Amino acid sequence: SAVISQKPSRDICQRGTSLTIQCQVDSQVTMMFWYRQQPGQSLTLIATANQGSEATYESGFVIDKFPISRPNLTFSTLTVSNMSPEDSSIYLCSVDRGGPEAFFGQGTRLTVV
Amino acid sequence: DQQVKQNSPSLSVQEGRISILNCDYTNSMFDYFLWYKKYPAEGPTFLISISSIKDKNEDGRFTVFLNKSAKHLSLHIVPSQPGDSAVYFCAASGAGGSEKLVFGKGTKLTVNP
Repeated sequence: SAVISQKPSRDICQRGTSLTIQCQVDSQVTMMFWYRQQPGQSLTLIATANQGSEATYESGFVIDKFPISRPNLTFSTLTVSNMSPEDSSIYLCSVDRGGPEAFFGQGTRLTVV
Repeated sequence: DQQVKQNSPSLSVQEGRISILNCDYTNSMFDYFLWYKKYPAEGPTFLISISSIKDKNEDGRFTVFLNKSAKHLSLHIVPSQPGDSAVYFCAASGAGGSEKLVFGKGTKLTVNP
């Protein structure tokens, strides 16, 4: 397994502002993933972040809204930009270890008011 | 359109009895299936998985059954314990698990003492 630390664990933000979520892994990993879980919904993949290249976004998600950084093999950030109440969700960082099983951080619970 | 469906948002069972959580999928290309458990304020943790070449996989108190013809899988927990109370997510992947995970909405299990 992997130890994945996410910060902040929760935040309440004003609409129109941006929040950057940090994800730190205890060892080097090739790919890091960012998910969103809206209230009552399933986990949805936002993007895949590889070190040294631009993130790959899933349908419905764009870089301007969710810019991602991946400066090294143990760290990534996701920014939620120009927030609206619809962005209120749990955001989760995830890694794999070469197998299908993904390992998740504890999540960031974001409330936009 | 949801490709992975967990039609029961909640389930309540007595301690010591069997818990059965169900999951249906629509994409016939899925060939690897996983169950995750999630406690409040924590990220999902991997529980058990099954490849489409099998119809059953067992790990201690947890057994997953796969019915490919019905596109249905289930997670059995026997005997259920109060510590099993959590939200359980079903997830599916293609290409032997190398493709992205697609999650269901989850089922909240409550095990009553």
